[in-house]
Amino acid sequence: GDSVTQMEGPVTLSEEAFLTINCTYTATGYPSLFWYVQYPGEGLQLLLKATKADDKGSNKGFEATYRKETTSFHLEKGSVQVSDSAVYFCALSDRGNDMRFGAGTRLTVKP
Amino acid sequence: KAGVTQTPRYLIKTRGQQVTLSCSPISGHRSVSWYQQTPGQGLQFLFEYFSETQRNKGNFPGRFSGRQFSNSRSEMNVSTLELGDSALYLCASSLGGEGAFFGQGTRLTVV
Repeated sequence: GDSVTQMEGPVTLSEEAFLTINCTYTATGYPSLFWYVQYPGEGLQLLLKATKADDKGSNKGFEATYRKETTSFHLEKGSVQVSDSAVYFCALSDRGNDMRFGAGTRLTVKP
Repeated sequence: KAGVTQTPRYLIKTRGQQVTLSCSPISGHRSVSWYQQTPGQGLQFLFEYFSETQRNKGNFPGRFSGRQFSNSRSEMNVSTLELGDSALYLCASSLGGEGAFFGQGTRLTVV
């Protein structure tokens, strides 16, 4: 079945460092891809999405490009801040709300 | 527009009891999904409801059940609680393939 694999954490970076969190997927169809972020004690928030190949999703300085040829959707940010510390989840959906999530990657940004 | 609302936020129950959690989706969203989140297993899909019908179901025992009402509000029930049911239970609503919008969750502790 459909699945998502994302890099294991935790990831620790200094403020203003470049961030990459890898995500690859397996799907039989043509899924939509998402990145979610979860801050301590809260639910997941939709960070960005891409619905077809070569689409780039972006929000709050984060970007991810839907690469069908490599079945990837890596999350990047050019300069992280302490406030970006959270757990990041890659997810896919090939129909409606039937979503598959990766295991999550915990990011800690130190001042 | 109000977000997804889950009640209660925190709950403590004793082994063997049952519990009912409530979720009010974003207005106009007809799809509601439930997830269990634990440190060991991560995010696991429980079930999805659409127009009062269960559309998808994850790999959980029959003690976990749910329903959706005509106003799209949803409840999930766990009977004969076990210690391992302690988790954050997240509800998400969706409109088409736009991604899921999560509530803040209900933190269930079974003692």
